[in-house]
Amino acid sequence: DAGITQSPRHKVTETGTPVTLRCHQTENHRYMYWYRQDPGHGLRLIHYSYGVKDTDKGEVSDGYSVSRSKTEDFLLTLESATSSQTSVYFCAISDGRINQPQHFGDGTRLSIL
Amino acid sequence: AQKVTQAQTEISVVEKEDVTLDCVYETRDTTYYLFWYKQPPSGELVFLIRRNSFDEQNEISGRYSWNFQKSTSSFNFTITASQVVDSAVYFCALSEPETSGSRLTFGEGTQLTVNP
Repeated sequence: DAGITQSPRHKVTETGTPVTLRCHQTENHRYMYWYRQDPGHGLRLIHYSYGVKDTDKGEVSDGYSVSRSKTEDFLLTLESATSSQTSVYFCAISDGRINQPQHFGDGTRLSIL
Repeated sequence: AQKVTQAQTEISVVEKEDVTLDCVYETRDTTYYLFWYKQPPSGELVFLIRRNSFDEQNEISGRYSWNFQKSTSSFNFTITASQVVDSAVYFCALSEPETSGSRLTFGEGTQLTVNP
């Protein structure tokens, strides 16, 4: 199994609070991705990173920011959480080649009340 | 813009039946890859197969087979003699070019339930 750890695995918080999710990899892959999974939408890309300090927006980036200060860590921050951000969040990694599958962490279930 | 459509939201079959999950995609790229992932009830995403745009050979792996048809932009997945352990959500995904980070566009997923 790819060495990807997401933390926390579950979190319940209140609207308006900041939330940070962490993704840690031991594969030394260059690319890391954050997706959210919602019923009827599959997985949608929030942000991705193609190297330390190099990030780009995905399809649903509004309300989210990311940081990558080390190859192994990719943080997703909700500056002021809203109920619409209740979701399951997945981190994925790859070496960036188009023919390589992305490998996913086990997900973080986030509930915003 | 790329798009992946899995029109079957839910499928329910009885064990030992064959079942086909449909995937239709849209892209303007000439080089791309298609993927299938499985998400069992435990929630993790498991990579099943990839296929590149230049290889239209069907692939079989045990009870699983995949039919890629470029002419109809489809990459369908068939499970033969289904088992209860096949119950999961299955996602089809399409890659973007490496210049866009090889990002994946996912379909909405198909919930497969195999009843004993």
